[in-house]
Amino acid sequence: DGGITQSPKYLFRKEGQNVTLSCEQNLNHDAMYWYRQDPGQGLRLIYYSQIVNDFQKGDIAEGYSVSREKKESFPLTVTSAQKNPTAFYLCASSIDASSGANVLTFGAGSRLTVL
Amino acid sequence: QQQVKQSPQSLIVQKGGISIINCAYENTAFDYFPWYQQFPGKGPALLIAIRPDVSEKKEGRFTISFNKSAKQFSLHIMDSQPGDSATYFCAVKGGGGFKTIFGAGTRLFVKA
Repeated sequence: DGGITQSPKYLFRKEGQNVTLSCEQNLNHDAMYWYRQDPGQGLRLIYYSQIVNDFQKGDIAEGYSVSREKKESFPLTVTSAQKNPTAFYLCASSIDASSGANVLTFGAGSRLTVL
Repeated sequence: QQQVKQSPQSLIVQKGGISIINCAYENTAFDYFPWYQQFPGKGPALLIAIRPDVSEKKEGRFTISFNKSAKQFSLHIMDSQPGDSATYFCAVKGGGGFKTIFGAGTRLFVKA
């Protein structure tokens, strides 16, 4: 079955540590995205990538970094510079980013808790 | 700047009733208006979407009503069922942008 796999599902981090969240898709989608979900704030875009080896900052990129070395993979690193990293992180993909009817397919999410 | 405002924040509906969630947007260049449904511990999934060239779209018990002049659109869930209990997000996209922008979400609870 085609879809998006996020890992780990739950992650605990001590303050000052970097952590990397994995996102893999087998949908052959060009575009991939990382969203952060906090209660009452909807989904906020962290980074997105339209093609391999290219990515752009979203609305809340500070304290995060990404890479897109392969079409299938778009890992997100939450660095120690992110002041409030405890959240639910969602990875998504779409056929491309530019088309108007841009249906996003989401993974099941990774919940990060900073101790 | 909040580009899409969603209300209510939470909603409780009796089984068989109608659930209504509203969204308002600011940028008239948006041209794609999807609704996503999210169950606890899962990622959102596309429920239904509309383009601004029609005023209504219906898929089963789910209907989007679109008012272009008022820059508003709403989701109606007819004959609401306990299995519809979830968080619903409206979203907007277009105007040459690459981002899908989400509303804050509505937590719906359907009482049996």
